[in-house]
Amino acid sequence: EVQLVESGGAAVQPGGSLRLSCATSGFTFDDYTMHWVRQAPGKGLEWVSLITWDGGSTFYADSVRGRFTISRDNSKNSLSLQMHSLRTEDTALYYCTKERLRIIDYWGQGTLVTVSS
Amino acid sequence: EIVMTQSPATLSVSPGERATLSCRASQSVNSMLAWYQHKPGQAPRLLIYEASTRATGVPARFSGSGSGTDFTLTISSLQSEDFAVYYCQQYHNWPPETFGQGTKVEIK
Repeated sequence: EVQLVESGGAAVQPGGSLRLSCATSGFTFDDYTMHWVRQAPGKGLEWVSLITWDGGSTFYADSVRGRFTISRDNSKNSLSLQMHSLRTEDTALYYCTKERLRIIDYWGQGTLVTVSS
Repeated sequence: EIVMTQSPATLSVSPGERATLSCRASQSVNSMLAWYQHKPGQAPRLLIYEASTRATGVPARFSGSGSGTDFTLTISSLQSEDFAVYYCQQYHNWPPETFGQGTKVEIK
């Protein structure tokens, strides 16, 4: 069974930093591209970032480029999202997701990031 | 960036009735469209990909259709567990992979 378990969400002040992690199991992690997707309170889903199977390519939404960094450790089957210069508009539930052939097929339960003074 | 527009925002349906949800892309995405079901407090669930292919374990009452810019998700006979928010998402042009704003299916 595929499992994606996010952690690291917290309340932080604007301008602060946070690192999210995603522990995975139930599939061959280093075979798949992984994504982060977020959902702000009362809003829809917003794609944030992706990283290819080997970490060789990364992509970011315009809203986070230059502030967020996605990474992975294939030896530990884990995905991370380092977030700097956080803004109030980054407040959201952050989901770790797995992709198969361009399709996001599994999601975690999410970890909540709150940016507020 | 391809913009995905879903309608209606909210759909009120009685159990046992049919629900029809629409999704429109700002430009053609061919058949590279997925539908997700999202219930409060749960992880979103993939229902449909390639516009019309049901994901593993998805009941046959869920069906998807369309290509190009106009897509439909149909739930043939709503069950109590189907009341949720449904999102469409294109994966033809990325990044970014873009989602619609969602349709909430609620009990009438």
